[in-house]
Amino acid sequence: NAGVMQNPRHLVRRRGQEARLRCSPMKGHSHVYWYRQLPEEGLKFMVYLQKENIIDESGMPKERFSAEFPKEGPSILRIQQVVRGDSAAYFCASSPGLGGREQETQYFGPGTRLLVL
Amino acid sequence: RKEVEQDPGPFNVPEGATVAFNCTYSNSASQSFFWYRQDCRKEPKLLMSVYSSGNEDGRFTAQLNRASQYISLLIRDSKLSDSATYLCVVNMAGGSYIPTFGRGTSLIVHP
Repeated sequence: NAGVMQNPRHLVRRRGQEARLRCSPMKGHSHVYWYRQLPEEGLKFMVYLQKENIIDESGMPKERFSAEFPKEGPSILRIQQVVRGDSAAYFCASSPGLGGREQETQYFGPGTRLLVL
Repeated sequence: RKEVEQDPGPFNVPEGATVAFNCTYSNSASQSFFWYRQDCRKEPKLLMSVYSSGNEDGRFTAQLNRASQYISLLIRDSKLSDSATYLCVVNMAGGSYIPTFGRGTSLIVHP
């Protein structure tokens, strides 16, 4: 059973370009979370999605950031017009669902390290 | 007051020592609790869930104190490989729940 997969692992963009980060959850998991981690800082929640639904995006910046989790295919975190402050590690996690500890346990992907030049 | 607070450390201990971390949470409606471990520049990995009655996994023991709203992690017989950052995670119940991560406690085990 493959774990959570993220690609690319490293992404370099120039200011103003777009960044697309992909996350494939573990098999059987229908819940996906995106987090951002700045150097020397903790994980910050960004968005929580189920298939075709954004459940909570309270941690997402209001502009330039968007996320989706289509019926088919991976979840995508999209950052438009990137700026240097977007440089960070972006982690995706998945869980089976809600309702109890087993369902809510999150498993993380290896992350995408975004560097904006 | 932050929702989930941890002492950032670092805790610097010799091999074989016993070390304990606490994590306090502010929301009394919190339902699920976890400890994760994060190595430098890697993804967080689940260490253990925290059960109401406390639970043990080898050298690791986790406990929950609902009255005082904290969870703890005890590591016995520390190994060099235990050096990492330990993250506390608290989930609230119901609705659109968002897991809240502490900033982590750094542990350094030296020879």
